[in-house]
Amino acid sequence: IAGITQAPTSQILAAGRRMTLRCTQDMRHNAMYWYRQDLGLGLRLIHYSNTAGTTGKGEVPDGYSVSRANTDDFPLTLASAVPSQTSVYFCASSRDRATDTQYFGPGTRLTVL
Amino acid sequence: SQQGEEDPQALSIQEGENATMNCSYKTSINNLQWYRQNSGRGLVHLILIRSNEREKHSGRLRVTLDTSKKSSSLLITASRAADTASYFCATVMIYGGATNKLIFGTGTLLAVQP
Repeated sequence: IAGITQAPTSQILAAGRRMTLRCTQDMRHNAMYWYRQDLGLGLRLIHYSNTAGTTGKGEVPDGYSVSRANTDDFPLTLASAVPSQTSVYFCASSRDRATDTQYFGPGTRLTVL
Repeated sequence: SQQGEEDPQALSIQEGENATMNCSYKTSINNLQWYRQNSGRGLVHLILIRSNEREKHSGRLRVTLDTSKKSSSLLITASRAADTASYFCATVMIYGGATNKLIFGTGTLLAVQP
């Protein structure tokens, strides 16, 4: 693994289903982030984690949850997917704070029907 | 709400020409960063300029920052077809207390015609 990986690459999901998007980094970065990207709205922060064991809410956290059990992994869970959660999801990490350069994964394209 | 807004939303130029994109933001910042996104890919960091810097260069990229006007510009000189991408500015905004967050603008879509 080099950098950040995300899985799956894409997914079609029925509304009401539970889904976990996976994110793993091998750079030993302390901070990790989840964004969603929608046409015309740019990237919006969903949740973040400044260090393992801590998480925080971003700009659009409703309907999403995260956990940070260790440094490398930062999964994003949709407990009960809704069509408005159709989007491209990007995971990112930075060495420490958000003021540092962020490194992005390749994204997960999620469609909720 | 967006902290950074890019202008123009879309830009089409010929190979070899220069491309200039602008970013305006609303609140005081620690630094401003520019990222690039190729179609269907993640964002890639290009350059970071701190609030006490006015200009920064990296290869064919030149970034300026005017904190009095709360604006920044990204200049790509001698553009190439491979520069075709979306370009985003991002600023750090105080969010929910002491923790800083990177807030992205909506981006400029640059098309460089060969």
